[in-house]
Amino acid sequence: SQQGEEDPQALSIQEGENATMNCSYKTSINNLQWYRQNSGRGLVHLILIRSNEREKHSGRLRVTLDTSKKSSSLLITASRAADTASYFCATVPYNTDKLIFGTGTRLQVFP
Amino acid sequence: DGGITQSPKYLFRKEGQNVTLSCEQNLNHDAMYWYRQDPGQGLRLIYYSQIVNDFQKGDIAEGYSVSREKKESFPLTVTSAQKNPTAFYLCASSKGWESAFMNNEAFFGQGTRLTVV
Repeated sequence: SQQGEEDPQALSIQEGENATMNCSYKTSINNLQWYRQNSGRGLVHLILIRSNEREKHSGRLRVTLDTSKKSSSLLITASRAADTASYFCATVPYNTDKLIFGTGTRLQVFP
Repeated sequence: DGGITQSPKYLFRKEGQNVTLSCEQNLNHDAMYWYRQDPGQGLRLIYYSQIVNDFQKGDIAEGYSVSREKKESFPLTVTSAQKNPTAFYLCASSKGWESAFMNNEAFFGQGTRLTVV
C-alpha cells in the first residue's frame, strides 16, 4: 500500500519560476522525507522533517509539514532546468521501521 | 568511495527462471531495503532488514526472497512464482532503527532493470 500520494502527478514550469509539490499520507509518522529521482537512476535524499517540526529549509528547498492534515509540501524556488526530475515523499509510519514512498511528482523545467 | 552498489545494471530472465539481484553497501548501515518501481509509478517495498539474519516482508513480498547473512549484503531473488517481474529494482540502506527514523535518510543504489524475455 502506498502511504503517500503526491499532487500534482506532473508539473511543467519555466526556469526561474517556483515549483510546489504536495504530499498527503495516511497514518501518524515519525518523520517525512523528500527524494529526487533522475530518469532511470536511484533516488537521492533531499530533506528530512521530523513530526515535531513544521518547516525546514535547505538551499532553494523549503518543506512544510502539517501533521493535523497529514500533509507536506516541497517548494523549489527559482527553478533551473537541472531540477527536472521526479520527486517523491517518503514516510516512516509511527512505531514501524518501514520507509514508505508516495507516487511521485514529475517536474519538467523548461529553459 | 562509500556507497551502495547494485549489480547487474540490466538483467534478462527467461520465464520460469529464478534470478538474483545483488546489493552491497560499505556504509556500515544496519538497515537495508528492496523496492520495486514500475514505469511512471512510485516505489513499493518488497523486503527490508534491520539487522543481520533478520528480515521482514514489505507490501509486495510474494514471489521474492532475500537473505541477510552479512551486514554489507542483501541479495534479492526473483523467483518463478513472481508473475510479473519486469520492473526497475532499487536497493537502499540506512543507519537503522535506533537512529534512522528520527534523524536520517536512506541511500540508494543505481538500480537493476529486470526484463523477462
